[in-house]
Amino acid sequence: NAGVTQTPKFQVLKTGQSMTLQCAQDMNHNSMYWYRQDPGMGLRLIYYSASEGTTDKGEVPNGYNVSRLNKREFSLRLESAAPSQTSVYFCASSSRSRGSEETQYFGPGTRLLVL
Amino acid sequence: AQSVTQPDIHITVSEGASLELRCNYSYGATPYLFWYVQSPGQGLQLLLKYFSGDTLVQGIKGFEAEFKRSQSSFNLRKPSVHWSDAAEYFCARPSTDKLIFGTGTRLQVFP
Repeated sequence: NAGVTQTPKFQVLKTGQSMTLQCAQDMNHNSMYWYRQDPGMGLRLIYYSASEGTTDKGEVPNGYNVSRLNKREFSLRLESAAPSQTSVYFCASSSRSRGSEETQYFGPGTRLLVL
Repeated sequence: AQSVTQPDIHITVSEGASLELRCNYSYGATPYLFWYVQSPGQGLQLLLKYFSGDTLVQGIKGFEAEFKRSQSSFNLRKPSVHWSDAAEYFCARPSTDKLIFGTGTRLQVFP
């Protein structure tokens, strides 16, 4: 099993450009999550999807959109990138058979720089 | 709101020394608590988790954590640190449908 995979690993954008971060999991998990990690702030939830066909906002959703394409894939889109979106983005998934206390498994991250 | 606090931003220890990383949680019914580790340039990996029962939890890589309700703490410990333990450590707890993370403690290990 590959677990949780993310593409790309690195990306440099200019302000105003758009891009989509891809995430896929092969563990048949129901729930998927997008976080951003910034120095001194830990991980903050951007969006999550508790099941296929549903998405919900997290702590910092502004400037982002998501799509739960199917059970395996959960993408994050920046429509018009801003320097404040420079960050490391992590995708995670969990089986969520017992609610949110289920372990979340993380991808390796995407490092995004917006100039 | 439910939260977790990691008071130490950065800790430095010598290889072979013991380690304790602090985590405090805010109020809430029986908390579920996690410790994750993030090695440089990597994603997060679960070290251990507490749901209920025995308050001393064993994890991977020789780590353990003790849940103390009276102190609202879930501190992570290791008796003898290895250079490969240098990483960032996050305490977390679930809230509704998501995890709430602490701000992390960066561990530096000197030879």
